[in-house]
Amino acid sequence: AQTVTQSQPEMSVQEAETVTLSCTYDTSENNYYLFWYKQPPSRQMILVIRQEAYKQQNATENRFSVNFQKAAKSFSLKISDSQLGDTAMYFCAFMKTGANSKLTFGKGITLSVRP
Amino acid sequence: GAVVSQHPSWVICKSGTSVKIECRSLDFQATTMFWYRQFPKQSLMLMATSNEGSKATYEQGVEKDKFLINHASLTLSTLTVTSAHPEDSSFYICSARGPSPVDTQYFGPGTRLTVL
Repeated sequence: AQTVTQSQPEMSVQEAETVTLSCTYDTSENNYYLFWYKQPPSRQMILVIRQEAYKQQNATENRFSVNFQKAAKSFSLKISDSQLGDTAMYFCAFMKTGANSKLTFGKGITLSVRP
Repeated sequence: GAVVSQHPSWVICKSGTSVKIECRSLDFQATTMFWYRQFPKQSLMLMATSNEGSKATYEQGVEKDKFLINHASLTLSTLTVTSAHPEDSSFYICSARGPSPVDTQYFGPGTRLTVL
């Protein structure tokens, strides 16, 4: 079974600064996907970024980038130039490859961006 | 693209009644949909996996007879909470396995259920 650990329940960052959210996971699979989802106060889950385990290059989406360390089973999310709209709960998630695969979520971290 | 809708967005019902929640993939066909339950400030808990044209697969501990799931078409899955009780009050979220990439789930906006 897979597990995803987000050990920090809350973080706060000043607007325009950079923040890194931590995530570690445990799996015996070699091929899998990792995701960061954002859940703002509206509670709509929004895909932030996706990483394929076989790719060594870290995924990037505008101000969001990841530091994927496969050997260490670490998948942190870096948010640059933080904006007030980044205030949300962030969930790290794991999914192995395959037709019947499903997401395993971490507990989430609440990020507050201060004006 | 890859938009998922849910209806209703919120519902209040009396104890003992049944409530149906619809999940639709608006601009793509979804052979697989998922139903989650979420309590405030907590993570999503997978309830069941819904496959078009076949019976849903429920997670351990989820009552199949209480949470009826039907995936009758490639764009619609429904969750019916039967004989609802106050402890069923929660936020229910559906997701659909995306068209591309197919390994990514796209989520609906959720339904807040309150049972009085």
